[in-house]
Amino acid sequence: EAGVVQSPRYKIIEKKQPVAFWCNPISGHNTLYWYLQNLGQGPELLIRYENEEAVDDSQLPKDRFSAERLKGVDSTLKIQPAELGDSAVYLCASSSPRGGSSNEQFFGPGTRLTVL
Amino acid sequence: QKEVEQNSGPLSVPEGAIASLNCTYSDRVSQSFFWYRQYSGKSPELIMSIYSNGDKEDGRFTAQLNKASQYVSLLIRDSQPSDSATYLCALSQAGNNRKLIWGLGTSLAVNP
Repeated sequence: EAGVVQSPRYKIIEKKQPVAFWCNPISGHNTLYWYLQNLGQGPELLIRYENEEAVDDSQLPKDRFSAERLKGVDSTLKIQPAELGDSAVYLCASSSPRGGSSNEQFFGPGTRLTVL
Repeated sequence: QKEVEQNSGPLSVPEGAIASLNCTYSDRVSQSFFWYRQYSGKSPELIMSIYSNGDKEDGRFTAQLNKASQYVSLLIRDSQPSDSATYLCALSQAGNNRKLIWGLGTSLAVNP
């Protein structure tokens, strides 16, 4: 079974430029998460999708961040314009459908963003 | 008080020893508990999940959960240098919001 796929793996941009990250979750996983992780910190949730619906975007800075999951599978996270403080690793994770107590989340390799 | 607390370490153990990683949490209604391993420059990898009080063993790893005392631990037997990583504790609270609350991680160094 293929894991969560993310691209690109690395991205270097200048501040004020736009950037987009792509994620393909594990097949059959309806729930998709975007996280941000800074060095020495745990992952911080940005947005959670159940199928194509964003059910928790309370931590997403909506003035510059946007996300979509149009067909309930792949997802894109965008930053426009990027700021120096956005430099971090952006992680995508997915989990199996609702039901039961399990909430095991599986992570992709992440995208390391550097804003200059 | 942080919701999930871990000793940041580094925890240093000799090869072949038992490494003991601990995590305490503040919300009594937490239901699901997870241990992730994260190598430097890599993403978190799920290694153990536990949902009920007691021990759960998987190979060299044992997770221990005590809901009354609000702690969950991870034991690594016969530690290997390849176990050197940061171990993140995460929990999922009651309800169906599927949100994980994360600790900051404990850095483990296994010395040959």
